[in-house]
Amino acid sequence: AQKITQTQPGMFVQEKEAVTLDCTYDTSDPSYGLFWYKQPSSGEMIFLIYQGSYDQQNATEGRYSLNFQKARKSANLVISASQLGDSAMYFCAMRPSLNQGGKLIFGQGTELSVKP
Amino acid sequence: KAGVTQTPRYLIKTRGQQVTLSCSPISGHRSVSWYQQTPGQGLQFLFEYFSETQRNKGNFPGRFSGRQFSNSRSEMNVSTLELGDSALYLCASSLAGDRGNTEAFFGQGTRLTVV
Repeated sequence: AQKITQTQPGMFVQEKEAVTLDCTYDTSDPSYGLFWYKQPSSGEMIFLIYQGSYDQQNATEGRYSLNFQKARKSANLVISASQLGDSAMYFCAMRPSLNQGGKLIFGQGTELSVKP
Repeated sequence: KAGVTQTPRYLIKTRGQQVTLSCSPISGHRSVSWYQQTPGQGLQFLFEYFSETQRNKGNFPGRFSGRQFSNSRSEMNVSTLELGDSALYLCASSLAGDRGNTEAFFGQGTRLTVV
């Protein structure tokens, strides 16, 4: 079954500390993509980072990095040096097959709160 | 470079009415996907259009339909609205489903309330 699981409904982190948001996935296709999005209270989904299943190195984008462990089917998001503006919902998503168009499957999300 | 534009941002409709939502993708992007977001069900895939053809479809009733125009702009229509259709509707734009071009960017969404 094609599925994304985020087991942390809510997380708290102190400002300037690092935080890891967990994501596990399931797909039978060897060619897939993994995404992380941030959704502030305004509702817009903001693209953070992408990892392809064949990418050899973990993706990084500024303060965001993706800890990709293919054998364990996990794609955890690491945010370094948290800022107050990082408080939002975070969604892990998967394109289960890169040969079958743009459909994305989302996890249930993790609400991150950054404390001053 | 302009982002994904969804209109309108907010809508209030009455049960039984129909509604049309619009999505203009990033210039050059040919794939537009639609998603419904509710507190209970989370984010669910509705359908995807690519080069004016529906390429993928989620598990929604036939009341939900869409189309894509030659300029890649897409519309989503919901007929005979039900209270449960109240949701945030998001569209995503991407170049294609190819391996090398897979980033998907979202619009700000249309918040639909059915009363």
